[in-house]
Amino acid sequence: DTGVSQDPRHKITKRGQNVTFRCDPISEHNRLYWYRQTLGQGPEFLTYFQNEAQLEKSRLLSDRFSAERPKGSFSTLEIQRTEQGDSAMYLCASSFRTGGTDTQYFGPGTRLTVL
Amino acid sequence: DAKTTQPNSMESNEEEPVHLPCNHSTISGTDYIHWYRQLPSQGPEYVIHGLTSNVNNRMASLAIAEDRKSSTLILHRATLRDAAVYYCILRDVSGANNLFFGTGTRLTVIP
Repeated sequence: DTGVSQDPRHKITKRGQNVTFRCDPISEHNRLYWYRQTLGQGPEFLTYFQNEAQLEKSRLLSDRFSAERPKGSFSTLEIQRTEQGDSAMYLCASSFRTGGTDTQYFGPGTRLTVL
Repeated sequence: DAKTTQPNSMESNEEEPVHLPCNHSTISGTDYIHWYRQLPSQGPEYVIHGLTSNVNNRMASLAIAEDRKSSTLILHRATLRDAAVYYCILRDVSGANNLFFGTGTRLTVIP
């Protein structure tokens, strides 16, 4: 078990371009979460999946954002027509939850800079 | 999720114990208390969680007040590697599934 991995670790793009990030969760984890973190703030929830189903989306997730988790394995987060305000660290986490509470395991994040 | 209140920053000398406080006066009976920490340039890392009783693991101890309106994360012997932002988070098992982080406490460990 190598933990949660994210790719790329850094992405610099120009305003208006589309970007896609990938997250590989810990194998057999049924839940996958996306968070966004700006400088000096704690992570903010964006969306989460249980297996392949996207069950919750934050109001922070505008129409330009879309996330998928085909076959309940890896996930992708795409941002279309990037804006400078999208510059942030994008964090992925996974967990195995059947009831009660769970522990989320985070990846190292993808740092996005929009010029 | 109910809100928590933490000091913005704390300092500790290396190899001394650290007590990180968290107030959660509006906690409900089904809220678990979770602690995560985030080292510089890394994703958050789970530390410990509890419901009513004090908890110990290899990383830390969690002391929960009898009325559950506050809790304290205890690092028994701070090392330089413990310098991080520590987040106290309440998680209602019947409610939201995401973690609400807040701004946390930045711990500085002095050599």
